[in-house]
Amino acid sequence: DQQVKQNSPSLSVQEGRISILNCDYTNSMFDYFLWYKKYPAEGPTFLISISSIKDKNEDGRFTVFLNKSAKHLSLHIVPSQPGDSAVYFCAASAGGGSNYKLTFGKGTLLTVNP
Amino acid sequence: NAGVTQTPKFQVLKTGQSMTLQCAQDMNHEYMSWYRQDPGMGLRLIHYSVGAGITDQGEVPNGYNVSRSTTEDFPLRLLSAAPSQTSVYFCASSYSKGRPTFGPGTRLLVL
Repeated sequence: DQQVKQNSPSLSVQEGRISILNCDYTNSMFDYFLWYKKYPAEGPTFLISISSIKDKNEDGRFTVFLNKSAKHLSLHIVPSQPGDSAVYFCAASAGGGSNYKLTFGKGTLLTVNP
Repeated sequence: NAGVTQTPKFQVLKTGQSMTLQCAQDMNHEYMSWYRQDPGMGLRLIHYSVGAGITDQGEVPNGYNVSRSTTEDFPLRLLSAAPSQTSVYFCASSYSKGRPTFGPGTRLLVL
């Protein structure tokens, strides 16, 4: 039973437009959410996170929105750039911010076309 | 500051062979974890450690052993490799309330 779901395996957008990546979760105990970006043959790199006490967190071109009642979060990238092309993983933890036990979604492959 | 390092980068094993995947971090992080990633799947937690001498099982621990004798190192042992253990393995480390930093991964092929 998947507790973190990324239902879109892939997404293609034009350079300069907005990319929206979605993530749903089922475990009500999750209280911290992270997005990781992964290039081929590399390890995941941290992108942005959000605590369950917030509904939005922004860092430059990246914004994460959390809707707790819907158990849904989304990552917005504005404007999208070709270098953003990668696999994006949504991850969740239930450790009060202790993130050594992450549950990951399957990932969404984002392709930004020039 | 090397971050999280993993060796080897790539390994081919025959069924039944044993090996140890090495992971080291130089950030004095308390927590370390091992994940595996299979095609079309997200990362799944194998084992984790909250400090030297303390380890516990994650979601998919069968076939793997770990130990943590120092803060810096967290090796993952495959005692008798099986084709189902063909995967990419990632080690991660973090502070108590921190965001995990991942290593570059070890690609393992079991024939």
